[in-house]
Amino acid sequence: QVQLQESGPGLVKPSETLSLTCTVSGVSISTYYWSWTRQPPGKGLEWIGYIFYSGSTTYNPSLKSRVTISMDTSKNHFSLRLSSVTAADTAVYYCARTSSGWSGEMDVWGQGTTVTVSS
Amino acid sequence: DIQMTQSPSSLSASVGDRLTITCRASQSINTYLNWYQQKPGKAPKLLIYAASTLQSGVPSRFSGSGSGTDFTLTISSLQPEDFATYYCQQTYFTPRTFGQGTKVEIK
Repeated sequence: QVQLQESGPGLVKPSETLSLTCTVSGVSISTYYWSWTRQPPGKGLEWIGYIFYSGSTTYNPSLKSRVTISMDTSKNHFSLRLSSVTAADTAVYYCARTSSGWSGEMDVWGQGTTVTVSS
Repeated sequence: DIQMTQSPSSLSASVGDRLTITCRASQSINTYLNWYQQKPGKAPKLLIYAASTLQSGVPSRFSGSGSGTDFTLTISSLQPEDFATYYCQQTYFTPRTFGQGTKVEIK
């Protein structure tokens, strides 16, 4: 079955760059869209953006100047980079498979990885 | 950004109750509306997409309806495993915004 697994540092210093990878198994990432969503402690969900296998990306405008989503089809994974982080970027970060259909639902999610921004 | 407002923000209910959660969009989003369930410490789980299509494997007690700006998620008979937080998300506009969540607790 399709599985997603996030990985990356759990602690990032302020002003540095957060880097996470989502490794996909059970399906080629050369299909579907692939998304990142985050959830600050005790709060709701915030959509970060997605990438299509063609390499095209769409980002949340509130993060657009700091975020990059990329993919490596040879490793069947995609990645998130968020620069100039502050404490407000502390959150659980989720990757998800996203339908390429018009409804854009996220039907398979990773378990999430907690990232804390602190010196 | 499109604002998605869920009501209520929280509720207490009993096993067997019929439950309805409402999600209102600040602009029309046609039927570009998905519902997710999230349990503590877990990733969200897709329940309903395109406003009313039940995701494969999700029990039929869950249903969704609506179009334009007003949407509902209904649980016909609440089960113990349904106590969780529910989120709506619109995918018509960028950014793809979520509602603030509705927490369903045991009465």
